Amino acid sequence: GENVEQHPSTLSVQEGDSAVIKCTYSDSASNYFPWYKQELGKGPQLIIDIRSNVGEKKDQRIAVTLNKTAKHFSLHITETQPEDSAVYFCAASIPFGNEKLTFGTGTRLTIIP
Amino acid sequence: ETGVTQTPRHLVMGMTNKKSLKCEQHLGHNAMYWYKQSAKKPLELMFVYSLEERVENNSVPSRFSPECPNSSHLFLHLHTLQPEDSALYLCASSQDRGGPSSYNSPLHFGNGTRLTVT
Repeated sequence: GENVEQHPSTLSVQEGDSAVIKCTYSDSASNYFPWYKQELGKGPQLIIDIRSNVGEKKDQRIAVTLNKTAKHFSLHITETQPEDSAVYFCAASIPFGNEKLTFGTGTRLTIIP
Repeated sequence: ETGVTQTPRHLVMGMTNKKSLKCEQHLGHNAMYWYKQSAKKPLELMFVYSLEERVENNSVPSRFSPECPNSSHLFLHLHTLQPEDSALYLCASSQDRGGPSSYNSPLHFGNGTRLTVT
């Protein structure tokens, strides 16, 4: 089955700097890659996703890049703000339904004011 | 009303107790899920329901029993749990399951039930 590895497990950046979280996946058939943000006491919330037919997607300060050849994808957050502090999860799925969605172990991002 | 509501938020139960977790979605979605979240581990899918029919079990112990009476409600019945079952239990919904001929539709999670088994 699919295996998703996520790095780093913790990340601290100065407010205003950029943060990058990286994930690798094992199944070359995977075609859907969402990123979720989980704030303290809340459930994960989808912040951006990318499908295998594009290499990059951007939404304001958040961007995701996908390298299908190397089987890795990354989340980029620019101009970080205190409210970006949270745990971020990547995930990957082969095209057989959400039950095939495999999550990474999460990255705890701390923005230092 | 928030999209996906879970009750209770916190639950402490003994190993011989029977309790139930409740999930309700107000998004008009057709698929609902139970996930287990433990520290430093990936989210673990427990059960999937699509149009009120169970799709996947993922070899979950029988001490966890799901129920989906309609497309808006999902329950997880708990009995004779073990201390290692202590975790955050998350409910999620999506427009549909997705599949070979369609894209995955995003998951919408509730805020979870923090379960402690003593």
